[in-house]
Amino acid sequence: QVQLVESGGGLVKPGGSLRLSCAASGFTFSDYYMSWIRQGPGKGLECVSYISTSGHTIYYADSVKGRFTISRDNAKNSLYLQMNSLRAEDTAVYYCARGEGSPFDPWGQGTLVNVSS
Amino acid sequence: QSVLTQPPSASGTPGQRVTISCSGSSSNIGDNTVNWYQQLPGAAPKLLIYLSNQRPSGVPDRFSGSKSDTSASLAISGLQSEDEADYYCAAWDDSLNGPVFGGGTKLTVL
Repeated sequence: QVQLVESGGGLVKPGGSLRLSCAASGFTFSDYYMSWIRQGPGKGLECVSYISTSGHTIYYADSVKGRFTISRDNAKNSLYLQMNSLRAEDTAVYYCARGEGSPFDPWGQGTLVNVSS
Repeated sequence: QSVLTQPPSASGTPGQRVTISCSGSSSNIGDNTVNWYQQLPGAAPKLLIYLSNQRPSGVPDRFSGSKSDTSASLAISGLQSEDEADYYCAAWDDSLNGPVFGGGTKLTVL
């Protein structure tokens, strides 16, 4: 079955960096756009980034532009999110999802990123 | 502040029909289809409705979606206790060239 498994979350100090990974299985990864969506504590959903099948088309939300970098390795069926210059407001559960919003399906279980001193 | 506007809460009794609204603009709902996601407590969101009114396999036909102009609605008939969850609408936004979400509606089954 289609499965997405995120990893790499944790506690990091403001200004620090973290790299999230998403391992995909059960479908042809290279055929799909992929996205990272986050949910702050008690808050709604925000798509922070998506990447096209080849990696040539990339979107970033204004809130993360210049600080986050999305990438993918189709040979390894993996999606990544490099997060630099982290701020307290980046604290959230980060979900990996298939698609770029038309629609997002399925979603991974999420990984928690906590930015705190 | 979310791009799409949803009521923060909704409620109903078992067996009742409830609707959740989602309001947008010409750059998102007005020009694109709407998706709805259900997030059960402690779980990841799950696709509930896509292309404004289509149900993925496995979603009960108690759930239905509609869209008109710059607004959309999710209807749940025959409300059940397991429907208690947060519901989010989403659509593509042509101005942002990216997907946008509503703020979510917390549905309580009384």
